[in-house]
Amino acid sequence: AQSVTQPDIHITVSEGASLELRCNYSYGATPYLFWYVQSPGQGLQLLLKYFSGDTLVQGIKGFEAEFKRSQSSFNLRKPSVHWSDAAEYFCAVSPANAGNMLTFGGGTRLMVKP
Amino acid sequence: GAVVSQHPSWVICKSGTSVKIECRSLDFQATTMFWYRQFPKQSLMLMATSNEGSKATYEQGVEKDKFLINHASLTLSTLTVTSAHPEDSSFYICSASEPNQETQYFGPGTRLLVL
Repeated sequence: AQSVTQPDIHITVSEGASLELRCNYSYGATPYLFWYVQSPGQGLQLLLKYFSGDTLVQGIKGFEAEFKRSQSSFNLRKPSVHWSDAAEYFCAVSPANAGNMLTFGGGTRLMVKP
Repeated sequence: GAVVSQHPSWVICKSGTSVKIECRSLDFQATTMFWYRQFPKQSLMLMATSNEGSKATYEQGVEKDKFLINHASLTLSTLTVTSAHPEDSSFYICSASEPNQETQYFGPGTRLLVL
């Protein structure tokens, strides 16, 4: 069975600082990989996704993620965090070419200090 | 594009009543819709997957007679919480995907409070 681990439950960074949110997955083959963001009381917004090809993926709001097969990781990064980035971030995986059944990580809550 | 709406955004009801939540794909046809439940400060738990015109597939532990799902058209799925009880209070989120597409687009969620 596939699983997703987000090791950091909470992260606090200063505004303007760089950010990296970790995501590790366990799956027999290379899955499809996603990052979603959830603001309080809201649904999830897709930040970016990786299906194949270039392992560095650019997303919305200045976010990027890098797929590293050797480490089974798909970490999310942003060079300079804005106060509006404070939210909950979810990494998710789904089987490639086998439907779109998502398995979510536990989430990482990002807080931004002024 | 790929906008999903939910209605209502929040609802308060008395114990024993039924509540219907609608999920609509506004600018695309969704052959598959998903219903999730999210408890405070937790991740999303998939409740069921619905395909247009067929019965929903429920995840283990989810009571299908309790949570009725109907996906009658390519743009609308409904979740009815029957005989709601306080333990059903939660944040319910739907998502939808286009045919042959691997990405789910999420609605804004519905917060249910059962008194």
